[in-house]
Amino acid sequence: DGGITQSPKYLFRKEGQNVTLSCEQNLNHDAMYWYRQDPGQGLRLIYYSQIVNDFQKGDIAEGYSVSREKKESFPLTVTSAQKNPTAFYLCASSGLAGGLDTQYFGPGTRLTVL
Amino acid sequence: EDKVVQSPLSLVVHEGDTVTLNCSYEVTNFRSLLWYKQEKKAPTFLFMLTSSGIEKKSGRLSSILDKKELSSILNITATQTGDSAIYLCAGGIQGAQKLVFGQGTRLTINP
Repeated sequence: DGGITQSPKYLFRKEGQNVTLSCEQNLNHDAMYWYRQDPGQGLRLIYYSQIVNDFQKGDIAEGYSVSREKKESFPLTVTSAQKNPTAFYLCASSGLAGGLDTQYFGPGTRLTVL
Repeated sequence: EDKVVQSPLSLVVHEGDTVTLNCSYEVTNFRSLLWYKQEKKAPTFLFMLTSSGIEKKSGRLSSILDKKELSSILNITATQTGDSAIYLCAGGIQGAQKLVFGQGTRLTINP
């Protein structure tokens, strides 16, 4: 079954802690993305990667870090430097077969800072 | 700065009504306009519109791209309660392989 998985579904973090959100895809897509969604708002791009071992900052990269060591995986670390990390985080991927711009999304991780 | 703006932000209608959602864009090197539906968690893809495909239709949903007015509309006819969702519009950027999303329109269909 092809798709994008994110884990965990829900994550609780204490202030000052780093946490890592997982994103895996088996669609053979080259590009992967991380978005943040706040209540009543659209999606804001945090980081994206068009190819393994390369990634670019999006519009709100401060306080976040990523790595892209494998094509299938694009983990996001929310660091203690992120001042307001409570949000819904969505991972997406896109590839040539689906059209470069058509992104497919995972089910998301809801992060709450206690 | 690239920007996508949707209106209205929220809309409540009765089942059976027809609705029109609006999206305007200011995107440098514009390549495509995409519509997504988000019910609970993951947005699901509806349509992609480009210069070579400015009108798309699927069942009760249809969308048109107006490149002159830099805008798009999403029409839903004979609405059903299952159409209740957030509808997201996004602009694709040539050469960057990334999307710029609007704020979304929250559509509520009352029985």
